[in-house]
Amino acid sequence: AQSVTQLDSQVPVFEEAPVELRCNYSSSVSVYLFWYVQYPNQGLQLLLKYLSGSTLVKGINGFEAEFNKSQTSFHLRKPSVHISDTAEYFCAVSERSSNYQLIWGAGTKLIIKP
Amino acid sequence: ETGVTQSPTHLIKTRGQQVTLRCSSQSGHNTVSWYQQALGQGPQFIFQYYREEENGRGNFPPRFSGLQFPNYSSELNVNALELDDSALYLCASSLGQGPLDTQYFGPGTRLLVL
Repeated sequence: AQSVTQLDSQVPVFEEAPVELRCNYSSSVSVYLFWYVQYPNQGLQLLLKYLSGSTLVKGINGFEAEFNKSQTSFHLRKPSVHISDTAEYFCAVSERSSNYQLIWGAGTKLIIKP
Repeated sequence: ETGVTQSPTHLIKTRGQQVTLRCSSQSGHNTVSWYQQALGQGPQFIFQYYREEENGRGNFPPRFSGLQFPNYSSELNVNALELDDSALYLCASSLGQGPLDTQYFGPGTRLLVL
């Protein structure tokens, strides 16, 4: 069965520094990959998704992610974070064999230090 | 703004009781999915409805049931509540069922079972 691992439960980073949030998935069959963000007391919001084509995907708020099939990874990056990026970030995977149900990682809390 | 609303925002129940959570999807969205998000974890897929019929189910017992109505509203019903049912319950609506169809999440209902 498909599973998603987010390697860091918390990532502290200084404001204006770059950040990478890591995500690995278990299956190497054809998958679709997503990053969602959850701000405090708000619903989950789609940041970006990979369906096919270019392995570098650009999303909202300056985030981007790179799909690496050989390493079964989909790490999220931002070159310079802002205090408003403080939130929890979730990686999710879906595949046709499971009727495109989203399988989620446990989340990574991004903590921006001033 | 996603347009997905959920009610109530918070709820306290005791073990053995029954609860109904409500979701109002974006107009025109034929698909609604429900998720359970326990504290410190990612969402877990409960089930999905498409045009008022259950279209997929995660690993949840039958005491979790749902309904979807023609007016784009839906319900999640949980019978015989257990302490482990304490969680944030999220609904998400989308136009269709595939990965091309972005899921838009509501802010959730936080259920506490005592």
